[in-house]
Amino acid sequence: QQQVKQSPQSLIVQKGGISIINCAYENTAFDYFPWYQQFPGKGPALLIAIRPDVSEKKEGRFTISFNKSAKQFSLHIMDSQPGDSATYFCAGRQGGSEKLVFGKGTKLTVNP
Amino acid sequence: GAVVSQHPSWVICKSGTSVKIECRSLDFQATTMFWYRQFPKQSLMLMATSNEGSKATYEQGVEKDKFLINHASLTLSTLTVTSAHPEDSSFYICSARADRGPSYYNEQFFGPGTRLTVL
Repeated sequence: QQQVKQSPQSLIVQKGGISIINCAYENTAFDYFPWYQQFPGKGPALLIAIRPDVSEKKEGRFTISFNKSAKQFSLHIMDSQPGDSATYFCAGRQGGSEKLVFGKGTKLTVNP
Repeated sequence: GAVVSQHPSWVICKSGTSVKIECRSLDFQATTMFWYRQFPKQSLMLMATSNEGSKATYEQGVEKDKFLINHASLTLSTLTVTSAHPEDSSFYICSARADRGPSYYNEQFFGPGTRLTVL
């Protein structure tokens, strides 16, 4: 019940294309779903996050779509750029303890 | 705002020695900090939750006597890897949960990580 399943493991997109990363969770105690971007040798940086009472959140080129009944959420990166090439992690936060449970990550490569 | 620093950024040590890693929240207070480790091309695994002024809570399978955590102030937590061995070589990352505030309510902000190599 702790897992967050993330797919795909790797993704290659052409510049200007849409990158889509999917996550699914089992723990209904999660109260917050952040996405993190991590560059090699660096710590993760919060990209965008959503609460389960919202179905979609958009910030610039980044959009989270959230389906509470299906326990799924996804990250869409519009107009993908080579600078977006990084590893992306979705996570679920346990209400109360506030521990983050991470997906296994998606390595995104955006070709110029 | 919401900057978390770690020191050192990388460290190489001999087997059997102890290494201390500092995690500081630079512009906000953090009653709670978290310590993670990350192996190459893998996800972050939570090691322990650190609360200011109290004992850390360790995740199952993490040796508390090996990974000593001290959270002495609202802006500083330290992780000491005692008697380090090559299998402890990893990327250690801390995060700080911002105490209640207008902009950073309950957000966790991550440090840049510390690369530990044990020879």
